[in-house]
Parts: sequence; C-alpha cells; structure tokens
Amino acid sequence: SQKIEQNSEALNIQEGKTATLTCNYTNYSPAYLQWYRQDPGRGPVFLLLIRENEKEKRKERLKVTFDTTLKQSLFHITASQPADSATYLCALPGGSYIPTFGRGTSLIVHP
Amino acid sequence: NAGVMQNPRHLVRRRGQEARLRCSPMKGHSHVYWYRQLPEEGLKFMVYLQKENIIDESGMPKERFSAEFPKEGPSILRIQQVVRGDSAAYFCASSPQTTMNTEAFFGQGTRLTVV
Repeated sequence: SQKIEQNSEALNIQEGKTATLTCNYTNYSPAYLQWYRQDPGRGPVFLLLIRENEKEKRKERLKVTFDTTLKQSLFHITASQPADSATYLCALPGGSYIPTFGRGTSLIVHP
Repeated sequence: NAGVMQNPRHLVRRRGQEARLRCSPMKGHSHVYWYRQLPEEGLKFMVYLQKENIIDESGMPKERFSAEFPKEGPSILRIQQVVRGDSAAYFCASSPQTTMNTEAFFGQGTRLTVV
C-alpha cells in the first residue's frame, strides 16, 4: 500500500540555522509533491509544489528537492526564525489527485 | 475574497446526538474535500465532493457518516449517533477544479468533542 513517511520526532534547531525536513514515500509514482505548514489549532497552508521533472524549487527562504529515484523530498528553511516553528506536512496526489498527507514533522526554532 | 469558512469552530455533542459540520468553499471553488485529524496524527482523507456529486468517499466510514455539497449552500458533513471516538478536528479544503498540480485551500477546522 502507499505510504508517506515523515519523521515523527520534533526537530529542534537554533535560530539562524537551516532546518531540513524529510519526506519519504513508497508505492507511489507521483507527478508532483506538495509541502504545507500547519500551526496549532489552524488549518494547513500551502507552501510549495514541486513536479517530478524539477529537481529543486525555491521560494524566499524555502527550498524543496524531489528525488524520484530515492523516493524522497527534502524541505529546507534557511536562516530559520522562531516564527517558522510549526508542523510541516508533505502531501502526494492520491486517486482523483486527492492530496494525501504524511503525519508531519514538528519544527521548533529556539531563539 | 474570504477563505474557506468552517462552522462551528467548536462543537460539543453528547454520545448519541448528531453533529453537523459546515464548510463554505472559497468563491469560485466547486471542489470540496473533508479530512479528519486526531491529536498527534496526520490528516486522514474522508470524502471528496463536487457540486451535487460525491466523487470519492473511500475514507468515510460507511455507518453514521454522510456528506453533501448541494447546488446552493455549504457542504455538510453529518455524523449521526456520535461516539467518543468521533472526537477530532475536521478540516475542509476547497479548490477551483481538481488539485492536480495545484494547491488545496483549507479552513480552520471544526473541533468536535463528544462527551
């Protein structure tokens, strides 16, 4: 069956460092992959979409890579700030392109 | 342009009662998705609807749960005879068409507590 795996342990880093989050998937051949941010008590907010023919995509301090051979996406936040603290969700298209989410990884940026 | 609106934000029901959760998609969006999220767990897909049609309900329990998206008005997720295990956050998302190569826009969720 299809699986999306994100590190369930929270990632703690110091302000100013680069945070790197991982999304691994199995039994998928996705045409694209998405990353969302979710704050406590709120709905997810879309951040980035990367297509299978794109190795890397950037948006301000965010960078996403997509390795279809390794079946992995890495999500980087450079010069991290306490305001970046949140849960980050990876999503792949399921049947009818319904977004299917991993469990998310909590990022905590310490001042 | 208002975002996806869900109401109520918080809902408390006693066991055996009915819960009705409402979702008004963004203007111009005709596709609606419902998800359930338990504490420390990911978003679990429940049902995908277009106006007046259920496209995919593979994630929705067959008993007690139903969803609709009428031609006029919000999408409704209905849970009959609620049990404690139904306590969760329910999120609605919308998109103008399928989410192929595009994003889903989420509401702030309804937190259902069954006592």
